[in-house]
Parts: sequence; structure tokens; C-alpha cells
Amino acid sequence: NAGVTQTPKFRVLKTGQSMTLLCAQDMNHEYMYWYRQDPGMGLRLIHYSVGEGTTAKGEVPDGYNVSRLKKQNFLLGLESAAPSQTSVYFCASSPTGITEAFFGQGTRLTVV
Amino acid sequence: GQQVMQIPQYQHVQEGEDFTTYCNSSTTLSNIQWYKQRPGGHPVFLIQLVKSGEVKKQKRLTFQFGEAKKNSSLHITATQTTDVGTYFCADMEYGNKLVFGAGTILRVKS
Repeated sequence: NAGVTQTPKFRVLKTGQSMTLLCAQDMNHEYMYWYRQDPGMGLRLIHYSVGEGTTAKGEVPDGYNVSRLKKQNFLLGLESAAPSQTSVYFCASSPTGITEAFFGQGTRLTVV
Repeated sequence: GQQVMQIPQYQHVQEGEDFTTYCNSSTTLSNIQWYKQRPGGHPVFLIQLVKSGEVKKQKRLTFQFGEAKKNSSLHITATQTTDVGTYFCADMEYGNKLVFGAGTILRVKS
């Protein structure tokens, strides 16, 4: 049972490039989340989804888009990367909204 | 939206000393979850508190939820080097949006 898997684990982008981060969970969870973690800022919610085909904005959605076409996958897109998007990105999933969340291992993204 | 404020931001203790981190909100929290993140790792769920005044224990860790459900605390008795990491509280806003506090970084000197 793999749990929550994030791809890739590391990436360096040039300013203006685009990329997609993939989050896959094999636990049949309804809820999925994307966070970014910066020093001293904790985990800030970018976007989340409460089920297949649904997405919603979190605290810091600007510059990111998401899609949840399949229940097990939650994709985070950066259309035109900026240095301010240099961060560690975590994906998480949970069965419902009031149960524990399971996190992936994180993706370290550097935008130069 | 509602914010959960977590204090202190950082604490460095001698091994064997106690440690407490606090999570506060200006509005009523629906429930509080606590997570631990080891250096270089990902957050791992510790516990969830739901009821007003609830107290739960996990070995040397004691979790409390305030009577008014506006604050919560995590207390570690006699810290060990294995307790090192960042402790986060998180609130489930509106039943579907898991929002985290900024975290408390714990360092333990042996």
C-alpha cells in the first residue's frame, strides 16, 4: 500500500516555465489537498478537492491551477513559474473532512 | 477565513525538560488535529480533538482542547531527542478545508 505518492521529488525550473506536480493516492480517499511549506510560514493551503471533478481555492491559490479528473489523482499546475513559487509542496488526502490527513513525501521545487 | 495562531514559533529545550505549544483562534474551532514533522520529512498525524474540554494522552504527550473550543495545547513531558521536529495544529474549516498553524519548531539538546 503506497499511500500518497508525489511526482517528482525534486525539480528546478526557469522563470516562466510551466510544470505539473502529480499526487496519487491508493486509499480511495475523497479529500485531497495541495500545500506549500516555506520557512516560518507553516503549511499554507493552495487548493483542495472534496471529490472527483471538484476543486476549490485555498489560502494562496494565485499562480496555481488544479484538476481532479480521477478520484485517485490531484494535479497541481504552474503555468508560468516565478521565483516566489520556490518552495516545498506537499499533497495530502483524507477519507472525509474530519479525519486524519495522510501526506506525501513532498516535492522540492526551485525556480531560478 | 479563520486563522489558527500557534506559539511559540521556536523552542530549544534541554533533554528531560517539558515542552508546550499552544494553538489559538479568535473563533470557535470545529475540531483540532495535531501533526508532527521530523526534519526533512512530511507531516504525520498525531491526534484529533473534537469535544470541548477534551484531554487525550499518548505516552508522554498530552493534548487538550479548550472549554470554549478556541484554543488547544500539546504538552510533552520529559523531552527526548526523538521529539525533535515541528509540531502543527490544524483546523478543519467549514468541514472541508484543513488549515494549519505556522508550527512550533522543537529542538532538544542532549
